[in-house]
Amino acid sequence: EVQLVESGGGLVQPGGSLRLSCAASGFTFSTYWMHWVRQAPGKGLVWVSRINDDGSSTNYADSVKGRFTISRDNAKNTVYLQMNSLRVEDTTVYYCARANWGLNDAFDIWGQGTMVTVSS
Amino acid sequence: DIQLTQSPSFLSASVGDRVTITCRASQDISSYFAWYQQKPGKAPKLLIYGATTLQRGVPSRFSGSGSGTEFTLTISSLQPEDFATYYCQQLNSFPPLTFGQGTKLEIK
Repeated sequence: EVQLVESGGGLVQPGGSLRLSCAASGFTFSTYWMHWVRQAPGKGLVWVSRINDDGSSTNYADSVKGRFTISRDNAKNTVYLQMNSLRVEDTTVYYCARANWGLNDAFDIWGQGTMVTVSS
Repeated sequence: DIQLTQSPSFLSASVGDRVTITCRASQDISSYFAWYQQKPGKAPKLLIYGATTLQRGVPSRFSGSGSGTEFTLTISSLQPEDFATYYCQQLNSFPPLTFGQGTKLEIK
């Protein structure tokens, strides 16, 4: 079964750090670009970051640039989001998603989401 | 950055109705455009990619049209399971990739 499973969310204080993981299975992970998307409770979807298939190229939303780092380990079929200097406004559900080059890069597989709460 | 303006934000309809949701882009995005459905507590689900192509397994009552700057998602005959929030997304130009603000489809 093709799936993505996120982990690593939780409660952290403002200024703290957290690393999210997204484990892929059922497909050739190393051939797909991967993205992180977040969604605050009751709000819309917001793109966070993306990484290309071999990890050599990354992009970030302005709101997280300099604080978050996306990376991947193709040997472990896992993409990561290292989040530093966390702010209250980073409190959201974080989804990882697969961009499918055969579908005009649309996000065809999503993880179940992991909740990050930044609070003192 | 490319902005997407999705309308309406809320839509109340009945089972069997035909509904249309529109998304306008601030600049030409060709057909690098997708629609997603999201139910409460769940991850988004891809419905339409390339502006007009139905994702495998999605019922044929869903259809997408448009190119350039104006796009439409149509549900031809609403079913109970279609009541959800719908998002458009542009994939032509990033960073950042952008989503519309969402349309919540509710039962009348």
